[in-house]
Amino acid sequence: LAKTTQPISMDSYEGQEVNITCSHNNIATNDYITWYQQFPSQGPRFIIQGYKTKVTNEVASLFIPADRKSSTLSLPRVSLSDTAVYYCLVHGSGNTGKLIFGQGTTLQVKP
Amino acid sequence: EPEVTQTPSHQVTQMGQEVILRCVPISNHLYFYWYRQILGQKVEFLVSFYNNEISEKSEIFDDQFSVERPDGSNFTLKIRSTKLEDSAMYFCASSALGGTYEQYFGPGTRLTVT
Repeated sequence: LAKTTQPISMDSYEGQEVNITCSHNNIATNDYITWYQQFPSQGPRFIIQGYKTKVTNEVASLFIPADRKSSTLSLPRVSLSDTAVYYCLVHGSGNTGKLIFGQGTTLQVKP
Repeated sequence: EPEVTQTPSHQVTQMGQEVILRCVPISNHLYFYWYRQILGQKVEFLVSFYNNEISEKSEIFDDQFSVERPDGSNFTLKIRSTKLEDSAMYFCASSALGGTYEQYFGPGTRLTVT
């Protein structure tokens, strides 16, 4: 499994766009990139998944450059309720679905 | 929106006792998982389960742990003889497809071993 590196913490203010970058230099050809969000005392929640270029859903966008050695989760116009831990996971397809979580990035949104 | 449910939300037990944590996965999902998170630490994979058998388990999932799908709706995690270090939040998750990383997590059961 490719190792991921992401900032331990980030601060932002309500209404701002937040970009969290994850490095995964050893990503394999068949690997996908998935982001999860976890609020305190709750289970992780799937946000978005991508393989290359850009993926957008109602919650976030995921930007993946051509070399795929990094990815950026973009949260538009954050609110206080976006305060959470955000995890970047890199994994291959077709196995048992085991998720390997790192420490994640703790995002604190301030008023 | 369908969701994974877990009971109880909090379980307190004495060291050496057996506990059973219960989960009801999303109804049309076929793949089930247990994870745990010790306070302040990472979420750790314990086991994946499909077609009534374990697909993969981690080193944490030793002989003290077992999983079962006793009927068409429940998925349980049993710890035979709890230790202090088993104190953690235990999350159940399910997914519709195998090998997918879009998993739906329950709210967790906080297990406290005294």
